[in-house]
Amino acid sequence: NAGVTQTPKFRVLKTGQSMTLLCAQDMNHEYMYWYRQDPGMGLRLIHYSVGEGTTAKGEVPDGYNVSRLKKQNFLLGLESAAPSQTSVYFCASSYRAGYGYTFGSGTRLTVV
Amino acid sequence: DQQVKQNSPSLSVQEGRISILNCDYTNSMFDYFLWYKKYPAEGPTFLISISSIKDKNEDGRFTVFLNKSAKHLSLHIVPSQPGDSAVYFCAASLTGNQFYFGTGTSLTVIP
Repeated sequence: NAGVTQTPKFRVLKTGQSMTLLCAQDMNHEYMYWYRQDPGMGLRLIHYSVGEGTTAKGEVPDGYNVSRLKKQNFLLGLESAAPSQTSVYFCASSYRAGYGYTFGSGTRLTVV
Repeated sequence: DQQVKQNSPSLSVQEGRISILNCDYTNSMFDYFLWYKKYPAEGPTFLISISSIKDKNEDGRFTVFLNKSAKHLSLHIVPSQPGDSAVYFCAASLTGNQFYFGTGTSLTVIP
């Protein structure tokens, strides 16, 4: 019972590089989310998805793109990384809206 | 502007006593409220929820209280145990999709 798995766990990028963070869940959840956590800011929603093939913007979507081609996977892309995107990124999934999320263990990204 | 606020960054409590963690929100239309616990280097773990139609929800040692008129939420842990030492986040949402999180309160339970 893996739950929510995020890869990679750590990454260092140079400014302007691109990368994709992968989130996979094995609980058949419809809803998936990408959050970032910064010191003193709590968790902020980047993008979310309410089902396969759907995506929607959250609170801080600029500089990120997402895709949900398969129900179990939710990808977060950074096309041109900036130092302001240095953060810890958490993926989460839930059975339906309003239910508690299951979070992954996070990806620590540093952009230099 | 922070829509969900946890004004106490830290709290220390003796083992066996009650821990009370507080949370305030600004949007009176929020209908869904969640509490999470987070250990270092792990993702948050869902603890307990409450919707706006209730003012109290219990799950074992954890009870969440909602005061809609005051736009205030609190989590009570009784009795507190050393394993409860973690960072606690409250979160609120209009629709159940876009949750706004507080900045967290670090709870230390002293044996």
